[in-house]
Amino acid sequence: EAGVTQFPSHSVIEKGQTVTLRCDPISGHDNLYWYRRVMGKEIKFLLHFVKESKQDESGMPNNRFLAERTGGTYSTLKVQPAELEDSGVYFCASSQYLSGGRNEQYFGPGTRLTVT
Amino acid sequence: AQSVTQLDSQVPVFEEAPVELRCNYSSSVSVYLFWYVQYPNQGLQLLLKYLSGSTLVKGINGFEAEFNKSQTSFHLRKPSVHISDTAEYFCAVSWNTGFQKLVFGTGTRLLVSP
Repeated sequence: EAGVTQFPSHSVIEKGQTVTLRCDPISGHDNLYWYRRVMGKEIKFLLHFVKESKQDESGMPNNRFLAERTGGTYSTLKVQPAELEDSGVYFCASSQYLSGGRNEQYFGPGTRLTVT
Repeated sequence: AQSVTQLDSQVPVFEEAPVELRCNYSSSVSVYLFWYVQYPNQGLQLLLKYLSGSTLVKGINGFEAEFNKSQTSFHLRKPSVHISDTAEYFCAVSWNTGFQKLVFGTGTRLLVSP
């Protein structure tokens, strides 16, 4: 079974440009999460999809970030326009069950975003 | 706000020595606890989890952790480390109410030397 995949693995863009990150969850996983780790800090939650619906987007930093999950399959996270403080590693995770916080989240390798 | 504290940012240890990585959390409700590991250039991999039942949880690669509710701790231990255990370790918490998100600590980098 394929794990969670993310594309690209690295992205270097200039301030003001747009970047789109993609996440393909494990097949059959209804829950999809985005997290971000800024250098030296903790991994922070961004948002949670259940199928195609946003269940919790309390961690999205501002309206420059737009997440979508078309058809409840893969998800994209667009940053427009990118700022220097957006640099970091963006992780995607997916899980199968929705019963409190018991579900095990499977993480992708992350996308390292560098904004110069 | 709920939080997770990993006091040690880096733990150097010699091969075959025991190790303990500390994790404390703040919460007024029941929690689920996780340890994840990130090897160089890889994603996060679940080491072990505490959902309920026995407070001593065994995970992969010889790791174990003990849930201590009174001290709100979930320390990770291994009796004898290998060079291959060199990685970054993250403690994470989720709550059995509300949404499913994980709250992570800042991570502890375990450096095992010969």
